Amino acid sequence: EAAVTQSPRNKVAVTGGKVTLSCNQTNNHNNMYWYRQDTGHGLRLIHYSYGAGSTEKGDIPDGYKASRPSQENFSLILELATPSQTSVYFCASGDTGAGAETLYFGSGTRLTVL
Amino acid sequence: GDSVTQTEGQVTVSESKSLIINCTYSATSIGYPNLFWYVRYPGEGLQLLLKVITAGQKGSSRGFEATYNKEATSFHLQKASVQESDSAVYYCALNSGGNYKPTFGKGTSLVVHP
Repeated sequence: EAAVTQSPRNKVAVTGGKVTLSCNQTNNHNNMYWYRQDTGHGLRLIHYSYGAGSTEKGDIPDGYKASRPSQENFSLILELATPSQTSVYFCASGDTGAGAETLYFGSGTRLTVL
Repeated sequence: GDSVTQTEGQVTVSESKSLIINCTYSATSIGYPNLFWYVRYPGEGLQLLLKVITAGQKGSSRGFEATYNKEATSFHLQKASVQESDSAVYYCALNSGGNYKPTFGKGTSLVVHP
């Protein structure tokens, strides 16, 4: 069974503070993704990676950085958190086999920026 | 870019009744996209419900089914008889042209009343 683990599950941060969201996958998938989910917007892609050392900007990268130090780990970094970044964040790894990429998601991190 | 439009907001259905959640898509790449339905149960991350990568084919899982209609650019999700345990948020998604950045719809919240 594919496994993607996110930490923390919940986080409260202060405006201007630094926040790091972590994601670990044991699937040995090359692709990894960070999405945020907000009411009325669905899932929006922030950053993604094709493998260790690679990070790419998604559709809404402003205010976020990403780091992929290894195949297993993919972090999302908010250097100066703002209340507009309050959201639920999902990490996923992508299995590109079988003719179409299937994503495996973590359980999400609920971030509140006060 | 690619886009997905699905039934918005919340759908409420009585147990044992039929369900349809509409999904239409627009893909910018040459060729036909891969189409997916993901589901998010309360407290969990998204998981794949079904996928279809060939136009004209039908996918099915857990009593749900969806047919890839390339003429109508649609991929509606249907179930003949829903159960309370089907209450969840359902997302239609696509990826196209070897682009491994999946595009998601906004999600449809299904509430099944006993």
